[in-house]
Amino acid sequence: QQQVRQSPQSLTVWEGETAILNCSYEDSTFDYFPWYHQFPGESPALLIAIRPVSNKKEDGRFTIFFNKREKKFSLHIADSQPGDSATYFCAASWAEGADRLTFGKGTQLIIQP
Amino acid sequence: EAAVTQSPRNKVTVTGGNVTLSCRQTNSHNYMYWYRQDTGHGLRLIHYSYGAGNLQIGDVPDGYKATRTTQEDFFLLLELASPSQTSLYFCASSPGLGGFNQDTQYFGPGTRLLVL
Repeated sequence: QQQVRQSPQSLTVWEGETAILNCSYEDSTFDYFPWYHQFPGESPALLIAIRPVSNKKEDGRFTIFFNKREKKFSLHIADSQPGDSATYFCAASWAEGADRLTFGKGTQLIIQP
Repeated sequence: EAAVTQSPRNKVTVTGGNVTLSCRQTNSHNYMYWYRQDTGHGLRLIHYSYGAGNLQIGDVPDGYKATRTTQEDFFLLLELASPSQTSLYFCASSPGLGGFNQDTQYFGPGTRLLVL
């Protein structure tokens, strides 16, 4: 059973546009939702994360929107830059055992100049 | 910046071979993890540990053993390697409950394993 579903599998947007990456989850007891990014040849690294006490988290050009009722969350990358091209993974973890992440399969994002 | 190192960085073995992947973190993190990354599957958790001597089973544990000998060192063992275990393996660590950025996982550079 896939606990965290991610879409699209790949996404190409033009420089300056907003890229939108989507995730949904099954288990309503998940309560921590990070996004990791991975540049080619590198290891994953935390980009931004949210807890369900809020429905929005911003960090510069990166924003997470969270919808608890629909069990969905998304990453919006505003004013996309070619340097944002990477694979993005959403993840989720439980309140108890918050240390253990379940990852989505990833979205390969390409920003065209 | 948290430091996680892995060795070897590349490994080739034959079917039925014995492989040990090593991971060390020097940040006094409590939790350590082993993942495999395969195209189309993302990151899948193999085993993880809350501290020295502790071992927890992840989502894809079959064919793998792990051992946490110290707070710093976490090993992944493939005792009878199979071609299906050809993959990119990542180790990660996190501070754990009560630690600064307790939930953030810091990944090592990865080990590429090829099983012929």
